[in-house]
Amino acid sequence: EDQVTQSPEALRLQEGESSSLNCSYTVSGLRGLFWYRQDPGKGPEFLFTLYSAGEEKEKERLKATLTKKESFLHITAPKPEDSATYLCAVQAVRGYALNFGKGTSLLVT
Amino acid sequence: GAVVSQHPSWVICKSGTSVKIECRSLDFQATTMFWYRQFPKQSLMLMATSNEGSKATYEQGVEKDKFLINHASLTLSTLTVTSAHPEDSSFYICSARGARGGGADTQYFGPGTRLTVL
Repeated sequence: EDQVTQSPEALRLQEGESSSLNCSYTVSGLRGLFWYRQDPGKGPEFLFTLYSAGEEKEKERLKATLTKKESFLHITAPKPEDSATYLCAVQAVRGYALNFGKGTSLLVT
Repeated sequence: GAVVSQHPSWVICKSGTSVKIECRSLDFQATTMFWYRQFPKQSLMLMATSNEGSKATYEQGVEKDKFLINHASLTLSTLTVTSAHPEDSSFYICSARGARGGGADTQYFGPGTRLTVL
């Protein structure tokens, strides 16, 4: 059974304090790993898709990396507007459904 | 801008009534659309997958007679919650799969519909 575990559950950072969010996964054949940002009361907003180990993607202050067992979302010099819940999801080769982790709630003050 | 829309954004209904939620992909054709529900402080749980012109595939434990899904075109899917009860109160979110920079495997999500059943 596919599993996605995100840590930490919650993270509080000072503005400018860089950190990383972790997403550990097990899946029977990875098609892709996805990162989304979700603000309260809103739908998830697409950030990145990673397909193979060693791949990296960047967007503004965010950088996502992928290994065979986990993915990291690095946040460099975060700002208060980066506060949100960050969701990781895996997609198996057998289909297109996403299996989500429980998310990391990030607060930047 | 938004690529997937949902309507309504919130709805309050009485127990026993039916509610229809629309999901539209705005600037791309979505071969597949998905419906999720999310309880407070929880992550998204897939309810069903729908392909245009064919019957939806429901996840284990989701009642297909209660949650009716219609995918009439490549840009529109609807979810009807029939005979709604208070335990159906939740945040319902749709997504559409399509090539829009994130790759054909990427799902783009709507803003969600908050359903409250009294």
